Parts: sequence; C-alpha cells; structure tokens
Amino acid sequence: QKEVEQDPGPLSVPEGAIVSLNCTYSNSAFQYFMWYRQYSRKGPELLMYTYSSGNKEDGRFTAQVDKSSKYISLFIRDSQPSDSATYLCAMIPMFSGGYNKLIFGAGTRLAVHP
Amino acid sequence: DAGVTQSPTHLIKTRGQQVTLRCSPKSGHDTVSWYQQALGQGPQFIFQYYEEEERQRGNFPDRFSGHQFPNYSSELNVNALLLGDSALYLCASSLGGSQYGYTFGSGTRLTVV
Repeated sequence: QKEVEQDPGPLSVPEGAIVSLNCTYSNSAFQYFMWYRQYSRKGPELLMYTYSSGNKEDGRFTAQVDKSSKYISLFIRDSQPSDSATYLCAMIPMFSGGYNKLIFGAGTRLAVHP
Repeated sequence: DAGVTQSPTHLIKTRGQQVTLRCSPKSGHDTVSWYQQALGQGPQFIFQYYEEEERQRGNFPDRFSGHQFPNYSSELNVNALLLGDSALYLCASSLGGSQYGYTFGSGTRLTVV
C-alpha cells in the first residue's frame, strides 16, 4: 500500500464548477500538507499548504486536512480553463530531522472545459 | 528572478549508458533535492544535498548518484541505464529545512531506448 493515495482521474468539469480533489494517507506522522499544481511540461508549483488539521482559504482555493480520517482535500471554486493541470498532494512527516523530503500522491488530472 | 534551471530539457540514451543531469538552484537557496517522476505518477524522492553532502536518500539503487558544488548547483548521475529509468527528473531547491519553500525546475525528460 502506498503511503499517499490519490485518484489519478482524469476529472473533467465545466467552467464555473466546484472541483473537489482528495488524498488519503496511512502514515499518522504526516504533519505538513501541501497541494502542488503541475502544468504540462512544467515542474510542480506550490499552490496551498497547511500545518496539522484545519482549513485554509486563498482566493478560489480551499485546503482541508482531517487528521483523524487521514484525509486531505482541495476545493476549487468557480473553476476556469486555466485551472486545467495535474494536482499533486504532498506531505512531510513530523520529526523528519530537518530533512524534509516530500511524499507525493500520484496526481489528479483536471480538465476544465469552457 | 531566476528560478530553478535544469539542463538538458530532453535526453535520449541507450540502455547501459550513463547520463548526467544538471541543476542550478534558485538564487538564495542552498539545498537541492532530486525527484523522479514516471509517466502518470507523482514525483519520487531520490536524494537531497546540503553543504555538498548527501543527507537523505530515497529507495533508489546505487546507480543513482549525485554531487553538489560550492555554488550550490548539483548534478544527478545515473549509470547502467535501464528502460525503467525513463522519466521526468525534477530538481527542487530550498533554503535549509524549509517545509514549504521548495521551488521545482521544469525537469529533464530522459528516454532510455
């Protein structure tokens, strides 16, 4: 079993829809949670990050972490064609000794059509 | 403000050959990590370099080695290439142990034939 599970999609939605992307994980030591966006032929770019449980909002994006369920989500409101990309969740365990390697999910491909 | 620069962009190699990939970190960053991203998969951690030393390594064989230079730039070397080494190789730089401060390059697409 992988440490981080993410549905690869693809997910196709109409412009303006609310998108929900999710990851589950097995390692209870994960404490830092991130969402990266990766456009085709580009490297991942950090979109949102949260520490421990809770919600965080930034414009059209909301990140949620439920540590009791080992489940994280990213919501995109009023989705735009420019949001079409692969979304990767990533995590870092607590007490990683300062060597913060990212553990990624497989990524979900999202297509927003006009 | 230059981000992370990787070279070359694309590379085709034959099985058994050796390859060297290069990375220049973002200005101000001193730590370089390398990731392998197979098609349709998330990036997998290879290793991390800080102060010219490998300080953490993922589950990759010794065929994968690296180096960090005094100017913080880094190289990834892969020996005895296998078809399964075909992937996008990503370099990420950061400042020290920052959890959120990773900046990724656009990667080197390696194809082994």
